[in-house]
Amino acid sequence: AQTVTQSQPEMSVQEAETVTLSCTYDTSESDYYLFWYKQPPSRQMILVIRQEAYKQQNATENRFSVNFQKAAKSFSLKISDSQLGDAAMYFCASIKAAGNKLTFGGGTRVLVKP
Amino acid sequence: GAGVSQTPSNKVTEKGKYVELRCDPISGHTALYWYRQSLGQGPEFLIYFQGTGAADDSGLPNDRFFAVRPEGSVSTLKIQRTERGDSAVYLCASSLQVRGGASYEQFFGPGTRLTVL
Repeated sequence: AQTVTQSQPEMSVQEAETVTLSCTYDTSESDYYLFWYKQPPSRQMILVIRQEAYKQQNATENRFSVNFQKAAKSFSLKISDSQLGDAAMYFCASIKAAGNKLTFGGGTRVLVKP
Repeated sequence: GAGVSQTPSNKVTEKGKYVELRCDPISGHTALYWYRQSLGQGPEFLIYFQGTGAADDSGLPNDRFFAVRPEGSVSTLKIQRTERGDSAVYLCASSLQVRGGASYEQFFGPGTRLTVL
């Protein structure tokens, strides 16, 4: 079984600043994928960034980047140059390779102050 | 193209009633998933369809919950004898077929908020 833990219920950031969201996970699988999803008030989960566990290089998508520490089972998300539209719930999730069920953390609410 | 759609957006029902929640996946996506998201929590897996068959229903909480996908496209989640604890947002997602070592991205719908009074 996989577990995902997000220890920060809420994070606040000033517009244009940087914020880092923490995520730790536990899995017995040797091959798996990690994701960060954004959920705005509209409820629709939007994929922000994805990391294959077999890749050592950290994934980057524009202002979003991850710090993947496989040995420590840590997968943090950094949002650079924060914008008002980044305000949402962020969920960390994992799935085993060729698996069908995503396992989500409890989420972190990001507030962006103008 | 059109994304995953779910109807209704909101559903209020009374304890003991029967409800159906509908999910229309992205055209061409053979895999379909249902998740339940309780207030203040992350989504939890309920069931996964590959085509018409339920390939994994290990997340269904009890036999009051049932889901079908008769033609391999639209899916309906059915809840009998609803209880107040069933109140949650029910999310549907779809993806291309899972195969080999690749877990394809799951695209989510906006969810149905179910309130059981």
